[in-house]
Amino acid sequence: KQEVTQIPAALSVPEGENLVLNCSFTDSAIYNLQWFRQDPGKGLTSLLLIQSSQREQTSGRLNASLDKSSGRSTLYIAASQPGDSATYLCAVMDSNYQLIWGAGTKLIIKP
Amino acid sequence: DTGVSQDPRHKITKRGQNVTFRCDPISEHNRLYWYRQTLGQGPEFLTYFQNEAQLEKSRLLSDRFSAERPKGSFSTLEIQRTEQGDSAMYLCASSTAGGEYEKLFFGSGTQLSVL
Repeated sequence: KQEVTQIPAALSVPEGENLVLNCSFTDSAIYNLQWFRQDPGKGLTSLLLIQSSQREQTSGRLNASLDKSSGRSTLYIAASQPGDSATYLCAVMDSNYQLIWGAGTKLIIKP
Repeated sequence: DTGVSQDPRHKITKRGQNVTFRCDPISEHNRLYWYRQTLGQGPEFLTYFQNEAQLEKSRLLSDRFSAERPKGSFSTLEIQRTEQGDSAMYLCASSTAGGEYEKLFFGSGTQLSVL
């Protein structure tokens, strides 16, 4: 059974720092891995989608990497801003095309 | 593109009452998903539709839950005889195609509180 873990559960850093969020999964048989952002009391916004054959995807200040063999992904945020404060969730699409979700990392960027 | 719309945003009800939520997907999207999310957890899959056909339901979904998508447009999720454990955020998402390239667009959710 696929399980997705995100560590740490919460992270607080000063504005301007570069930071890395981690996501690990137990079964390497995935179609893709996705990173989402969720603001308090809101739905989720898709940030990046990495196909299983890809190693990374970039969008602006965000870079996501995927190491399928080790069951790990990282989301790198460069030059963090207070507006980046949110919960970041990763999800893997398993062999049944189902999204399996992590519990998220709550990120606080201090001005 | 007006995005995925959910109504109501918040619902407070007493235990034992029935509640119904509505989701309007992005107009050209033929796939529609319902998820449930509790505080500090990721979304939990409930069910999904391809057009008007309900193709999959989670084994965790009790028979008190029912979802419809008449005419393949908006969808409703009904919970009968609500229990306190049903308190959660109910999220709707839509997409144009399934498979490994699928990208989901989420609504803002309906927050249900069962007293």
